[in-house]
Amino acid sequence: ILNVEQSPQSLHVQEGDSTNFTCSFPSSNFYALHWYRWETAKSPEALFVMTLNGDEKKKGRISATLNTKEGYSYLYIKGSQPEDSATYLCAFQTGANNLFFGTGTRLTVIP
Amino acid sequence: EPEVTQTPSHQVTQMGQEVILRCVPISNHLYFYWYRQILGQKVEFLVSFYNNEISEKSEIFDDQFSVERPDGSNFTLKIRSTKLEDSAMYFCASTGRGALPYNSPLHFGNGTRLTVT
Repeated sequence: ILNVEQSPQSLHVQEGDSTNFTCSFPSSNFYALHWYRWETAKSPEALFVMTLNGDEKKKGRISATLNTKEGYSYLYIKGSQPEDSATYLCAFQTGANNLFFGTGTRLTVIP
Repeated sequence: EPEVTQTPSHQVTQMGQEVILRCVPISNHLYFYWYRQILGQKVEFLVSFYNNEISEKSEIFDDQFSVERPDGSNFTLKIRSTKLEDSAMYFCASTGRGALPYNSPLHFGNGTRLTVT
């Protein structure tokens, strides 16, 4: 079982604040790094799949960076809104068929 | 937009009973997965399925577990004799639109909450 760590475990921010959190993963046998957004009572929804060292991806106010050599990815949310409240999961992909998930960062945006 | 659908949303069963969790993946997807999350713990990989056979499985996926794609649309997870520790949220996912899924995101269903009493 590969170790994928996310920090912090939970985070409360005020509406309008920008925030970021971290996913750490092994630096060997890397295929891809996934980020998912998981709202309560819904299914995890894909945000990004990143494959190249130095990759940066953006979707609206959310962006992510990837460093495969040192084994970390950052997820940034600019100007947080209450609807951003969710658990953000990262998952490390080592091959075609296997993702190892972190425990997630639970974000609460306070109006 | 096409979705992965899972039924039932909640299943309560007694220890020792068999359960079948059902999933309908997105129709043109080729790779199918089952994951589970025990309350408060990480999402864990159970099994992946491609071309009508298991392509990879985890240590959790022991002889009590099996998967099937009986009719080309449904993808089922069977637990033969449930234990208390099988209580979890079970997620089905699919990916792949004909190409190797190395950088394809997973599309998850809403999950089935299994409670074993």
